[in-house]
Amino acid sequence: SQKIEQNSEALNIQEGKTATLTCNYTNYSPAYLQWYRQDPGRGPVFLLLIRENEKEKRKERLKVTFDTTLKQSLFHITASQPADSATYLCAGDMRFGAGTRLTVKP
Amino acid sequence: NAGVTQTPKFRVLKTGQSMTLLCAQDMNHEYMYWYRQDPGMGLRLIHYSVGEGTTAKGEVPDGYNVSRLKKQNFLLGLESAAPSQTSVYFCASSHPGLAGVSDEQFFGPGTRLTVL
Repeated sequence: SQKIEQNSEALNIQEGKTATLTCNYTNYSPAYLQWYRQDPGRGPVFLLLIRENEKEKRKERLKVTFDTTLKQSLFHITASQPADSATYLCAGDMRFGAGTRLTVKP
Repeated sequence: NAGVTQTPKFRVLKTGQSMTLLCAQDMNHEYMYWYRQDPGMGLRLIHYSVGEGTTAKGEVPDGYNVSRLKKQNFLLGLESAAPSQTSVYFCASSHPGLAGVSDEQFFGPGTRLTVL
């Protein structure tokens, strides 16, 4: 079946470091991948979209890559801050991963 | 602009009861979606609509019905609630984006439904 998987359920890092989250897709080829942030008790909020013909996209401290050979997207937050602590969701063609809960410690 | 709003925020039902969840958006979006979110499973698409008067099934449509009579509203109905439908339900909307591929989705705050 078609799947989007985020390998890490949780990721803990120290403030100032770069957080790297992984998203893999299987049995289909999404035309784009999206990344969302979700805080407890709230709906997801859109962060970035990358299309299959784009290798990399940046927005402020965020960077997303799309590797169609590896069937993978990487999401990076540089110079992480405690305020970046949240669950991050990967999505492709209306399919969502289960999310990775990021905790940034001061 | 209110964005995407959902009514109600919380609801408790008994098995077999029916209810309707209302989603409204004021961004003039063509596309609207209903998802459910369960622990460890992420968001799963129930039904979606690409325009007023049209609906389509998503990944987990069984036990749910939808209607899109007005562009700004998308209703999700449970005709006979079951404990397996206990979940948090999110509505979202978007523009079609390039080549009809869904652009960024704007989500509502969610409805927490418990079926006893």
